[in-house]
Amino acid sequence: GDSVTQTEGQVALSEEDFLTIHCNYSASGYPTLFWYVQYPGEGPQLLFRASRDKEKGSSRGFEATYDKGTTSFHLRKASVQESDSAVYYCALSDPGGNNKLTFGQGTVLSVIP
Amino acid sequence: GALVYQYPRRTICKSGTSMRMECQAVGFQATSVAWYRQSPQKTFELIALSTVNSAIKYEQNFTQEKFPISHPNLSFSSMTVLNAYLEDRGLYLCGARLGLSAETLYFGSGTRLTVL
Repeated sequence: GDSVTQTEGQVALSEEDFLTIHCNYSASGYPTLFWYVQYPGEGPQLLFRASRDKEKGSSRGFEATYDKGTTSFHLRKASVQESDSAVYYCALSDPGGNNKLTFGQGTVLSVIP
Repeated sequence: GALVYQYPRRTICKSGTSMRMECQAVGFQATSVAWYRQSPQKTFELIALSTVNSAIKYEQNFTQEKFPISHPNLSFSSMTVLNAYLEDRGLYLCGARLGLSAETLYFGSGTRLTVL
């Protein structure tokens, strides 16, 4: 079945550091890829999505590029802020799989001021 | 923008009892609603997918007998956890889609279930 793997379980950075969270996927079809962010006490919020190879999604300074060749959708931000501290989830939706949304394990980002 | 409200935000029930949670879409028509459970370890499990004019599709390990879902109109869905036990605790999330072909799920804040 479909799966999403996030390499980092936890990331601790200082403000203005560069962020990378790695996401690799496995799907039988041509999935749409998502990044969601979850703050304490809230449900996951959509950060952005990408549907085609080489498409870049971006929001609030975060970005990721759909790479079908390496089956990756790595999240990056050039300069993190304390307010970016949250849990980040990579996810995919496979149109051939009834649009079921499959999540990665999540990455806890802690940004120290 | 798309808003999804869930209530109650938190609930506590005794082991063996049942509790109902609700999901309301505001400002859009939720043609498709997905119910997830987020475990204390933060992983997501899809419970079931409810699409208007279609039968509710439950995932493996989840049954209608344990998690009956109602989706009577395009703005409302409810799910009940019957005969809850410790392993049912977690954050229950409702995600709604804006259209039949839409892929993005918009989530509510969830209902946190504690079982004593």
